[in-house]
Amino acid sequence: QKEVEQDPGPLSVPEGAIVSLNCTYSNSAFQYFMWYRQYSRKGPELLMYTYSSGNKEDGRFTAQVDKSSKYISLFIRDSQPSDSATYLCAMSAGTGANNLFFGTGTRLTVIP
Amino acid sequence: GAGVSQTPSNKVTEKGKYVELRCDPISGHTALYWYRQSLGQGPEFLIYFQGTGAADDSGLPNDRFFAVRPEGSVSTLKIQRTERGDSAVYLCASSRDPRDTQYFGPGTRLTVL
Repeated sequence: QKEVEQDPGPLSVPEGAIVSLNCTYSNSAFQYFMWYRQYSRKGPELLMYTYSSGNKEDGRFTAQVDKSSKYISLFIRDSQPSDSATYLCAMSAGTGANNLFFGTGTRLTVIP
Repeated sequence: GAGVSQTPSNKVTEKGKYVELRCDPISGHTALYWYRQSLGQGPEFLIYFQGTGAADDSGLPNDRFFAVRPEGSVSTLKIQRTERGDSAVYLCASSRDPRDTQYFGPGTRLTVL
């Protein structure tokens, strides 16, 4: 079993829809949770960064972390065609162990 | 400001050859990471540098892979006797300190024929 599980999709939604992306994980030591966006043939770009459990909102993006269920989510409101990309969840234990563990990535297409 | 840069952007080599991949981190970032991303997969950790020293090389798959960061800035990932299974995108990331956000470069796409 991989430490981080993510449905690879692909996921297609109409423009303006609310998108829900999620990951589960098995390592209870993970404390830092991130969502990266990756366009084709580009490096991952950080979208959201959350420490421990709770919600964080930034514009159209909301990240949620539920450590008790080992489950994290990213919501995109009013999705735009420019949101079409692969979304990667990533997490780390933090102090001392700083390498990131990534999910497979979910490929999202927003249809105009 | 300038982000993480990686050269070359693409590298095609033959099985058995030696390759070097270069990473220029964001200026002032002390932590540097190498990851490998195979097609349809998320990045997988290879090695982490804090300053000049490799603080964690547990992700290197075997002794054909080696990385250096002699002056605490630019890093080079070296792969000896390349195999077809080494074909992937090699990503570099840097952060201001180990607990800070990691910023990724565009990657080097390595193809071993």
